[in-house]
Amino acid sequence: EIVLTQSPATLSVSPGETATLSCRASQSVSGKLAWYQQKPGQAPRLLIYGASTRATSIPPRFSGSGSGTEFTLTISSLQAEDFAVYYCQQYSHWPPALTFGGGTKVEI
Amino acid sequence: QVQLVQSGAEVKKPGASVKVSCKASGYTFTDYFLQWVRQAPGQGLEWMGWINPKSGDTNSPQKFQNRVTMTRDTSISTAYMELRRLRSDDTAIYYCARHDYYTSTTDWGQGTLVSVSS
Repeated sequence: EIVLTQSPATLSVSPGETATLSCRASQSVSGKLAWYQQKPGQAPRLLIYGASTRATSIPPRFSGSGSGTEFTLTISSLQAEDFAVYYCQQYSHWPPALTFGGGTKVEI
Repeated sequence: QVQLVQSGAEVKKPGASVKVSCKASGYTFTDYFLQWVRQAPGQGLEWMGWINPKSGDTNSPQKFQNRVTMTRDTSISTAYMELRRLRSDDTAIYYCARHDYYTSTTDWGQGTLVSVSS
């Protein structure tokens, strides 16, 4: 089983600043890494897939990077609506066995 | 547009079973795997397994293999997840999500709250 470790657990930032979230995999996920945003009472929302491709309608202030076992989600110019919990997910196997990281809470 | 509509909240006693449904629309039901993911209160996301609606094949992590059954009815584009021998720590929101090979889980249901309490 591939284990994903996210850091930090909580990130305190001010609106307008940049947030950098990390996700480390226990083995290579061949670029099959996705990022999700979740707000209270809502289902997760896909932000990034394939490590760096923004999903439909996701603003360009969200960007993903990385390869192998180290990945980063960067949120530039944080807006009020960006304060949420972010999860990374690997989907490198087919058929698709999934693993999620423990999440990073981005707070004001 | 793609929609996944799940059944309503359930309250169950320990030892009982629950069956959650997920009705798909806006795409060809048999063209995409469906994933089941749960989230306990205040906790992270936990993968429970997938079903291939075309073949009916399923897979789930060992943690759930003896207690979960995933099925589908292609005539009504609906998938089901049954969890047996419920415990209090099964209290969670259960989600279904459409899985794409390239983009992973792009579309999610609204979630179904299952509460287990004596």
